[in-house]
Amino acid sequence: GAVVSQHPSRVICKSGTSVKIECRSLDFQATTMFWYRQFPKQSLMLMATSNEGSKATYEQGVEKDKFLINHASLTLSTLTVTSAHPEDSSFYICSAREGGTGAGAAFFGQGTRLTVV
Amino acid sequence: AQSVTQLGSHVSVSEGALVLLRCNYSSSVPPYLFWYVQYPNQGLQLLLKYTSAATLVKGINGFEAEFKKSETSFHLTKPSAHMSDAAEYFCAVSNTGGFKTIFGAGTRLFVKA
Repeated sequence: GAVVSQHPSRVICKSGTSVKIECRSLDFQATTMFWYRQFPKQSLMLMATSNEGSKATYEQGVEKDKFLINHASLTLSTLTVTSAHPEDSSFYICSAREGGTGAGAAFFGQGTRLTVV
Repeated sequence: AQSVTQLGSHVSVSEGALVLLRCNYSSSVPPYLFWYVQYPNQGLQLLLKYTSAATLVKGINGFEAEFKKSETSFHLTKPSAHMSDAAEYFCAVSNTGGFKTIFGAGTRLFVKA
């Protein structure tokens, strides 16, 4: 299957600082990537859909000014958590779909454990 | 709108026993269905997918799932559980028009020695 690489896998930051998480599709081009947040022992919550060359589409209730998404190329999307607070601590996962239809499976990065202290 | 319901947040089986993880979906259009596995502090790994071909789908690690339209189900099975199968399993759905993947709440599989 396709490979999606996410970096860093773990980050600890101070409250008020910003953190950038990278998501790369290594062996295919992804015009669309997805960012999820996962709370302990819960399912994945879709935060936003990242579109190459255009603005991200945010799900209801997700603050777009807090979670900045940039999809500058067909293989890279970044999520920046701005002015992080302890409640932003979570597991963040990105994914990219292979192909251009719903039949394509989503391939996931390894996830990033963010801890805000 | 599409949705996925996974019955049972926790399933416990003995090593060597049958694994059955239940998933029911709701979709107004023909769905594409997926099963993913997640190990602690890791991303999700695709086990198998149904995309309107054969209704019985075989995946990695000995898992398989059967698409039953009449029951709107896509249950995941494995004949004999291994200790290494202990993980969180997610059922997911998408469709031709939509690009989002909708996930179920997940089922934690425990395997007893």
